[in-house]
Amino acid sequence: QVQLVESGGGVVQPGRSLRLSCAASGFTFSSYGMHWVRQAPGKGLEWVAFISYDRSNKYYADSVKGRLTISRDNSQNTLSLQMNSLRADDTAVYYCAKGRIPSPSGFDLWGRGTLVTVSS
Amino acid sequence: QSALTQPASVSGSPRQSITISCSGSSSDVGGYNYVSWYQQHPGKAPKLMIYDVSDRPSGVPDRFSGSKSGNTASLTISGLQAEDEADYYCSSYSSSSTWVFGGGTKLTVL
Repeated sequence: QVQLVESGGGVVQPGRSLRLSCAASGFTFSSYGMHWVRQAPGKGLEWVAFISYDRSNKYYADSVKGRLTISRDNSQNTLSLQMNSLRADDTAVYYCAKGRIPSPSGFDLWGRGTLVTVSS
Repeated sequence: QSALTQPASVSGSPRQSITISCSGSSSDVGGYNYVSWYQQHPGKAPKLMIYDVSDRPSGVPDRFSGSKSGNTASLTISGLQAEDEADYYCSSYSSSSTWVFGGGTKLTVL
């Protein structure tokens, strides 16, 4: 079954860290770039980060640069997001999404998301 | 990395057609043919409806179509159905190898 399943969300205090994971199955994970996209409660979608299929390229939204780090393990079909120095405005549902090849247009497979709440 | 501009809401009656606009700049929408559109029902994950401005993934009805002129992309839904009621987001690849979304449009089927 082709799917992405996120985990690791929860309630965390401001300034603390959290690590999200995304387990991929049903497709050749090592062939695709992967993204994290978030959605604050009642708000729109915000692109967060991208990692290329071979980990050679990583790109971040300005709002998370220097605090969030994307990584992947192709041997385990797993995508991760290390979140440090968390702030209240990082509160959101975090989705992992599969990129397309060869075009950079479109996230064609999404997980159900994991909720991160940053609150004291 | 400024968000793309979409109308907050649009509405239409069953069997009618509606168009949602998505305005950007020459650094994103106008600079690349890499615009995509997503449908999101409440409490659900987004679903890809259009990629590369006007291509549809397998399984998406041909009632959904996309286009672009200059810095503005558009999503048209013809023959509106009740199940089309949802939030719609545009997205574009942007300079510096980043991606940007629009603020979202709530479609109401009257």
